[in-house]
Amino acid sequence: GQQLNQSPQSMFIQEGEDVSMNCTSSSIFNTWLWYKQDPGEGPVLLIALYKAGELTSNGRLTAQFGITRKDSFLNISASIPSDVGIYFCAGGMDSSYKLIFGSGTRLLVRP
Amino acid sequence: EAQVTQNPRYLITVTGKKLTVTCSQNMNHEYMSWYRQDPGLGLRQIYYSMNVEVTDKGDVPEGYKVSRKEKRNFPLILESPSPNQTSLYFCASSLGLRQETQYFGPGTRLLVL
Repeated sequence: GQQLNQSPQSMFIQEGEDVSMNCTSSSIFNTWLWYKQDPGEGPVLLIALYKAGELTSNGRLTAQFGITRKDSFLNISASIPSDVGIYFCAGGMDSSYKLIFGSGTRLLVRP
Repeated sequence: EAQVTQNPRYLITVTGKKLTVTCSQNMNHEYMSWYRQDPGLGLRQIYYSMNVEVTDKGDVPEGYKVSRKEKRNFPLILESPSPNQTSLYFCASSLGLRQETQYFGPGTRLLVL
């Protein structure tokens, strides 16, 4: 079936550093979504992308929909301790309710 | 408050003992879905429902059943649980096909001995 390769698997960074993570796929998607999951909680949507090349920001977060529609990245600038969590990418198709999730990037921030 | 609720939040059971995990949403959403989350695999869709009495298989439906008799409820049924169904389960609901409007429940951690 369809798969998303998300990297890195984990990151341990110093507070204030910038972070970058990405997802790649062999399949084309019409929608890319980025979620954050806090411990003991369900994923919460951070950013939704709908068009190839689209660059969208949400506060310190910026995400881009790759031109080929097969990849996306998420950047977090000036990280803070509350950025700790697992970040997931997900790809979707307009014609289907199905979302394909990446395996997640676990982010730890050292104060 | 708009929310998706799941019960129970934690469950330990034994192989073969039927169990049901309930999911309820108060947003009048048409679409509901069940996922399981396993280390290194992200979230994988088990079943989804596009409306009352309309359900379909996701990527990993084996060993699970669902029903959608009312719009707000979407229970997940494990008729004969096995240890490989030990996982963290999430229910989600959304308004129509807009995946980005998906709200996730808080999760149910299941251990099958």
